[in-house]
Order: sequence, then C-alpha cells, then structure tokens
Amino acid sequence: EAGVAQSPRYKIIEKRQSVAFWCNPISGHATLYWYQQILGQGPKLLIQFQNNGVVDDSQLPKDRFSAERLKGVDSTLKIQPAKLEDSAVYLCASSPTGGTSPLHFGNGTRLTVT
Amino acid sequence: GENVEQHPSTLSVQEGDSAVIKCTYSDSASNYFPWYKQELGKRPQLIIDIRSNVGEKKDQRIAVTLNKTAKHFSLHITETQPEDSAVYFCAAGLQTGANNLFFGTGTRLTVIP
Repeated sequence: EAGVAQSPRYKIIEKRQSVAFWCNPISGHATLYWYQQILGQGPKLLIQFQNNGVVDDSQLPKDRFSAERLKGVDSTLKIQPAKLEDSAVYLCASSPTGGTSPLHFGNGTRLTVT
Repeated sequence: GENVEQHPSTLSVQEGDSAVIKCTYSDSASNYFPWYKQELGKRPQLIIDIRSNVGEKKDQRIAVTLNKTAKHFSLHITETQPEDSAVYFCAAGLQTGANNLFFGTGTRLTVIP
C-alpha cells in the first residue's frame, strides 16, 4: 500500500513569514495526526482528526498554528507567523481508526526558520 | 497529562551483544505501549507494541516487557546487528477511540561492527 505522503520535504523561511504543509494519508485511514519533532526530542502531538473532525488540538499553539482536513482525506497545517522555535520536523501520521491501530508516519517536512 | 521518560539517551554496543532501553510513564490509565525505530532522515516505524493485558511480547530478536505496577516498560534487542543502529522511541497512550501517544525523548543506539 502507498504510505503517508507529505510535502514539501524541506522548507526554509524567515521568522514572521507563513508556511503550509500538506499531508495525504493512507487510503481509507480515518484518523490523521500532525506531530512536531524538535531535534533530539520525541514527536509531540499537535492535532488529531477523526475523518474531518478535530479530536484533540490541546497542544496546538492556536495563536499561530492552524490545521484543516477537508473532506476527511488530505490535511494542511499552517504556521503564521513563524517563530525561530518552530524549527522542527513536522510529521503527519494516519491510522485506520484510532485506539489500538498503529500509527503510520510520513517522511515529514523539515522546517527551518531563520 | 502523560509524561514518558526514556533512558539512556545514547547507547553503544558491540555487534552481537544485547541492548536494553527503558521507559517509565506517569499515567496509570495508559495501556498501549509501542516502540518506534527512526533511522537518520527517515520516518519513525513501529517495530513492536504491547498492551496492558500482557507482560511480555517477542518478535524474533526484539522483545518488550511491561510492568504496570511500577509503570515501566523496556525494549530488548538481542544479537544486535549494525542495521539496528537508529534512534528508538517509546510511547504510551490509551486504547480508546482516540490514540494520543506520548513519546519519550529517544535513545540513539549505535552497534559497533
């Protein structure tokens, strides 16, 4: 099966600029996650969707981060305006349902904010 | 919320030796504990997971043990090979409709040929 697709692979922006990341989950996977992985740390959940509804966004910095999952398939994550501390790899993951279903990660987008 | 601690942060072993990585968690409600392997520049990949109704699970050279009373779980890799070199992450979460996993900070394993 095709894996989780993410783009772009790399992105370099200046602080205060905006950026958007795209994710296409594995076909049929109802649950989609965005994780932030800062260098040397484990992934941290930003937001979880079940179909096109938000299940958990408690760790999403909503003053600058936003995410949507139109039609319950693809998703975009946006940062506006970016800060230096947003430099990280942004990982998208999907699973068939939630709960005990394993997460399948994409290759991530490496964001560098200068 | 859940807090997962992972030790050691780096681990070097000779090829053929065993490697053990340990994690502790804080939320006694957590009942799903996966382990992910992440090679440099690649995506995390699930290598093994365990649920709270069992104390140990094995898959070839990899095993995971869980002690719910002490709230810790461990990854054991036997007969290590150079291709086992990677960063390993433990995670803890709930077996519910949501699957919010909390990850440890990772262990960089280096297997020396």
